[in-house]
Amino acid sequence: AQSVAQPEDQVNVAEGNPLTVKCTYSVSGNPYLFWYVQYPNRGLQFLLKYITGDNLVKGSYGFEAEFNKSQTSFHLKKPSALVSDSALYFCAVTPTSGSARQLTFGSGTQLTVLP
Amino acid sequence: ETGVTQSPTHLIKTRGQQVTLRCSSQSGHNTVSWYQQALGQGPQFIFQYYREEENGRGNFPPRFSGLQFPNYSSELNVNALELDDSALYLCASSLANGGANEQFFGPGTRLTVL
Repeated sequence: AQSVAQPEDQVNVAEGNPLTVKCTYSVSGNPYLFWYVQYPNRGLQFLLKYITGDNLVKGSYGFEAEFNKSQTSFHLKKPSALVSDSALYFCAVTPTSGSARQLTFGSGTQLTVLP
Repeated sequence: ETGVTQSPTHLIKTRGQQVTLRCSSQSGHNTVSWYQQALGQGPQFIFQYYREEENGRGNFPPRFSGLQFPNYSSELNVNALELDDSALYLCASSLANGGANEQFFGPGTRLTVL
């Protein structure tokens, strides 16, 4: 069975500073990895994904993530945080084989960017 | 391009009742997945429909059932509601039945069971 761990429930960072939101995963075989963001009382919005190829993936709103197979990690990063980045962030994984493409989500990390 | 829509936005039911939630998928998407997000938790996979057939199911009891229609819209039905069913129910659609394709989520239906 696949699983995702987001070890930090809360991350605080000052505006303009770099941010990192951590994610590790467990899956049989190779993974497809995703980051989603959720604003209050809203659904999830897709940020970026890793399918194959370059380990550094660039996504929406200046976010990027680095896939590290040996550490089974897929940390989300942004060079300079904005107050508007404050939201709940979810990492998700699905295996590359199998019929149902269910996403398995982590428990989420609340990011707060302080002005 | 129309995004994923869900109805109703909010719903209040009592224990033992039945509820139907609806989802319209994004234009061109033929795969719909349903998730339950309890307060303070990540979404949990309920089931997925691909071309009107159930295509995978998470760890939810049979009283959670669904349908997908020829236009790829979908329904989630929950019978014999329990207090623990209170959650945000999210529908997501994707292009074709491939895990590499990101899922696009609707705004959710907030279900409260009293």
